[in-house]
Amino acid sequence: DGGITQSPKYLFRKEGQNVTLSCEQNLNHDAMYWYRQDPGQGLRLIYYSQIVNDFQKGDIAEGYSVSREKKESFPLTVTSAQKNPTAFYLCASSTTPGGFEKLFFGSGTQLSVL
Amino acid sequence: QQQVKQSPQSLIVQKGGISIINCAYENTAFDYFPWYQQFPGKGPALLIAIRPDVSEKKEGRFTISFNKSAKQFSLHIMDSQPGDSATYFCAARHYNTDKLIFGTGTRLQVFP
Repeated sequence: DGGITQSPKYLFRKEGQNVTLSCEQNLNHDAMYWYRQDPGQGLRLIYYSQIVNDFQKGDIAEGYSVSREKKESFPLTVTSAQKNPTAFYLCASSTTPGGFEKLFFGSGTQLSVL
Repeated sequence: QQQVKQSPQSLIVQKGGISIINCAYENTAFDYFPWYQQFPGKGPALLIAIRPDVSEKKEGRFTISFNKSAKQFSLHIMDSQPGDSATYFCAARHYNTDKLIFGTGTRLQVFP
């Protein structure tokens, strides 16, 4: 089955620690995205990538980093500079580079601070 | 600055009733208005979308009504079912940046 796989489902971060969230897709989509979801708030864009080896900052990129070395993979690192990392993180992909139409989302990773 | 305002925050509807969720936007540079449905512990999934050149779009029990002059659009769920219980997000895409701006979500509960 084609889709987006996010792992782990739950992740705990200690003070001062960097953690990496995995996102893999087998939909052959060019564009991939990372969103952050907080209770009672809409989804906020962290980073997005329209093509391999290229990515752009979203609206809340501070404290996060990404890479796009392969078309199917777009990992997100939450660095120690992100002071409020507890949130539900969603990875998405789409067939339209730059179009943000018809986003396909993974099942998310819940990150919590110990 | 929140550019897409969604209401209500939560909604309780009896089975068979009509669920209505409203969204309003301020920026006229939006060109695409999708609705996403999210079940607990899952990622959102595209439900239905509309472009500003039409006033209504219907897909099964789901209808988007769009009022360009009022800068408002709404989702209507006819004959609501317990399986429709989920959080619904409206969104608007900015035609210059192509980015989606999401509303804050509406938690819908449909009781038998």
